[in-house]
Amino acid sequence: QSVLTQPPSVSGAPGQRVTISCTGSSSNIGAGYDGNWYQQLPGTAPRLLIYGNSNRPSGVPDRFSGSKSGTSASLAITGLQAEDEADYYCQSYDTSLSGYVFGTGTKVTVL
Amino acid sequence: EVQLVESGGGLVQPGGSLRLSCAASGFSFSTYWMNWVRQAPGKGLEWVANIKQDGSEKYYVDSVKGRFTISRDNAENSLYLQMNSLRAEDTAVYYCTRIIPVLTSYFDYWGQGTLVTVSS
Repeated sequence: QSVLTQPPSVSGAPGQRVTISCTGSSSNIGAGYDGNWYQQLPGTAPRLLIYGNSNRPSGVPDRFSGSKSGTSASLAITGLQAEDEADYYCQSYDTSLSGYVFGTGTKVTVL
Repeated sequence: EVQLVESGGGLVQPGGSLRLSCAASGFSFSTYWMNWVRQAPGKGLEWVANIKQDGSEKYYVDSVKGRFTISRDNAENSLYLQMNSLRAEDTAVYYCTRIIPVLTSYFDYWGQGTLVTVSS
């Protein structure tokens, strides 16, 4: 059972903006640890999408953005495209578990 | 180009053992922390274990402590995961990842994964 909670699914039409929340607690994001985000396209390995709450690795389109507030992190996708249909996972560190933790995952569907 | 290639997965009976390998190339392997992350069929991601550059520090998720051992051979640019006393719930795709060690470390490169199936 993950300590980071995400909505199971979100959807939007092409061109729209969608956001994915990652709700943690005082032992992870709320303790000052960052939120990182990964995208997993169907049948492939995850790839790093956002690190340090809001930083994009080279090659990640700027329509992906991240933020953090309190005990939660968020991922926004603006100008949604068909190729963005994938599973998205947040990740942080948890002091109670003394280890890395992932969110429950969110499936993004492009209508 | 950074590449991580896992191998060693397969079908094993409950209580059995398996050793996974991850061959790294395209970067200075000995200067990075490394990780194993797993994903059960149709489920989310779970961090399993990580290891410091020189192997002097190792950390595990509670569910595998005492059963799994992470190790590395910097001369061979390889990461390993020895899995003993395997259980059905260990069935998953196992990914090798590189770690960027900042306040909240993140995993910047992933292998393609190797499937471990624990079943009689």
